Amino acid sequence: DAKTTQPTSMDCAEGRAANLPCNHSTISGNEYVYWYRQIHSQGPQYIIHGLKNNETNEMASLIITEDRKSSTLILPHATLRDTAVYYCIVTDNDYKLSFGAGTTVTVRA
Amino acid sequence: DTAVSQTPKYLVTQMGNDKSIKCEQNLGHDTMYWYKQDSKKFLKIMFSYNNKELIINETVPNRFSPKSPDKAHLNLHINSLELGDSAVYFCASSQEDYGDEQYFGPGTRLTVT
Repeated sequence: DAKTTQPTSMDCAEGRAANLPCNHSTISGNEYVYWYRQIHSQGPQYIIHGLKNNETNEMASLIITEDRKSSTLILPHATLRDTAVYYCIVTDNDYKLSFGAGTTVTVRA
Repeated sequence: DTAVSQTPKYLVTQMGNDKSIKCEQNLGHDTMYWYKQDSKKFLKIMFSYNNKELIINETVPNRFSPKSPDKAHLNLHINSLELGDSAVYFCASSQEDYGDEQYFGPGTRLTVT
């Protein structure tokens, strides 16, 4: 019952922007888009979330399309420490995160 | 200061034993969770407690029993351990009304032999 689709993996050059796509074509009106990442051997880390508007914080930017059927997480200047599995999650704040397979992002020097 | 801490970090035990994993958060959050990440790396929620009350109980064997002595602690007790229980267990916490902005602990790697 996956609500999101993400590429399995992607590479990014250090210092460049990393654009991570996510499709969520069945998203409903009260559901948010959340992004988490998991660096190897660590617990998942919250990155950002949004409902309709684009959002930006110190870690990343989230761009949500007008029809809300897809979104892009942007890491503006990727570093080697950004190498991780990135999870796009659609949820209605029901305290129940469902993690899929995510996108394995490798940042290369 | 570690926001969400778990002990132990590693746990190796034999089948049939009973073991506990402890979790503490110092963020003042009202809700705490246990997740299991299996060998295929899929992360699944097991339980959630809000103000010491169980609010989410996914399909988990009865051998797993969470206990919340207070808002800052959520322990996981596992009876009669089986080989399939080998996994990494993560504790997390969140503020009420921001249930999906969760803060995770470092994980406990449980190996059952």
